[in-house]
Amino acid sequence: EAQVTQNPRYLITVTGKKLTVTCSQNMNHEYMSWYRQDPGLGLRQIYYSMNVEVTDKGDVPEGYKVSRKEKRNFPLILESPSPNQTSLYFCASSAQLAFTGELFFGEGSRLTVL
Amino acid sequence: AQSVTQPDIHITVSEGASLELRCNYSYGATPYLFWYVQSPGQGLQLLLKYFSGDTLVQGIKGFEAEFKRSQSSFNLRKPSVHWSDAAEYFCAVGSDTGRRALTFGSGTRLQVQP
Repeated sequence: EAQVTQNPRYLITVTGKKLTVTCSQNMNHEYMSWYRQDPGLGLRQIYYSMNVEVTDKGDVPEGYKVSRKEKRNFPLILESPSPNQTSLYFCASSAQLAFTGELFFGEGSRLTVL
Repeated sequence: AQSVTQPDIHITVSEGASLELRCNYSYGATPYLFWYVQSPGQGLQLLLKYFSGDTLVQGIKGFEAEFKRSQSSFNLRKPSVHWSDAAEYFCAVGSDTGRRALTFGSGTRLQVQP
């Protein structure tokens, strides 16, 4: 089954404790992206990647890092989480580099930073 | 910069009634327009998309949307709503230049009354 898998789905952590949210897709997609969803703000892009070893900033990259060492994986790293990073995070992938294609979303990871 | 406005935060309709969700966008060129649906606890699923051609597009689950360039709108419609349509709906505009991101509206939550 074609899917985007995120882990963990739920996480409560404390300020400053490094964490990683993993994202894996089994569709051989080149394009992957991370979004955060906050009430009243919709989804905002954090980082994206057009291919292995090619990543770039989205609208709200501060406080986040990503890496793309393999095509299927695109982890989101919070080196020193802060309460304003409490949010619902979505990983997404797409087959097409031109923006005519569908974005496939994971089920989301709800992060709470105390 | 591109932007999307969904003026209605929350809409309640009766089951069997018609539905129209509003979306206005701002974009310099011909936009790529999307509607996504998010059921509770789930990721986003593509309902339909518009790139060019016929301004009335059909999607899944009986939804359709009409692109009106003169009004910068891309409203979503359904002739008869089912209880299972209760969800949050996001309009998005895409760009195939620069970082190729989707810009999402803030969403409209649909409640369906029996």
